[in-house]
Amino acid sequence: DTEVTQTPKHLVMGMTNKKSLKCEQHMGHRAMYWYKQKAKKPPELMFVYSYEKLSINESVPSRFSPECPNSSLLNLHLHALQPEDSALYLCASSQVGTFSPEAFFGQGTRLTVV
Amino acid sequence: GNSVTQMEGPVTLSEEAFLTINCTYTATGYPSLFWYVQYPGEGLQLLLKATKADDKGSNKGFEATYRKETTSFHLEKGSVQVSDSAVYFCALRVIQGAQKLVFGQGTRLTINP
Repeated sequence: DTEVTQTPKHLVMGMTNKKSLKCEQHMGHRAMYWYKQKAKKPPELMFVYSYEKLSINESVPSRFSPECPNSSLLNLHLHALQPEDSALYLCASSQVGTFSPEAFFGQGTRLTVV
Repeated sequence: GNSVTQMEGPVTLSEEAFLTINCTYTATGYPSLFWYVQYPGEGLQLLLKATKADDKGSNKGFEATYRKETTSFHLEKGSVQVSDSAVYFCALRVIQGAQKLVFGQGTRLTINP
C-alpha cells in the first residue's frame, strides 16, 4: 500500500473561519510533509516532520499550524487565512534516511479562501 | 545551494513521437533524483527514481539516467501516447538534518492524436 489519504478533497472557507486539513499514511513512514502548490507552479515546501517532531518550517505564516499527533497522521490547522492562501495543499510521506528515498503524495486538498 | 532546472515548456508532440525533457541539478553531496508526474486536478505520482550515479530509473516506458559528470537526469520515452499528457517535475532529495525535496519548475506536456 503506497497510499497517502488527504481529507477533505475540496474546502471553501471564509477569512474568519478555522478549519483543518488531514493526512494519513500506513506505510510506516516517519517523515511527513506539507506542500503548497499554486496553479502552474511546482510544490513549495511548508513543513517537515521527522519522527513526529517538526524539523523544518519554511518561514510559514503562523495562520498555518501543523500538528503530527502520531506517526500515521498529519494535520494542518488553518486560521484567519487570506485569499492569496487559496491553493492545492499536498501532503507527502517518506522513509527517513537514504535506503528508500522516494516521497509519496496524497491527492491534495483544493482550498479556496473567500 | 540545491536546485533543479528543467527545460521550459509547454511541450507539444504528436502521438508516437520521441520525448526528451531535460533536467539538470545543483546539489551538495550525493542527492537522490526523481521524476514525478501530475495529471490535471491530482496530486503528484512518482514516475521513477535513481539513487546513485549511473543508475537508470524506468517505469511505464519512461527512462532517466543519473549522470553525475553532467549533473543531469533527463527524462525520455520512445513513443508517447495521448495519456502521457501531464505536467512532469524533476526533483532531488537532500538530507540536511531532515528530508527535503527540491522541485524543478515543471514541464507541461501535451500529446496530440
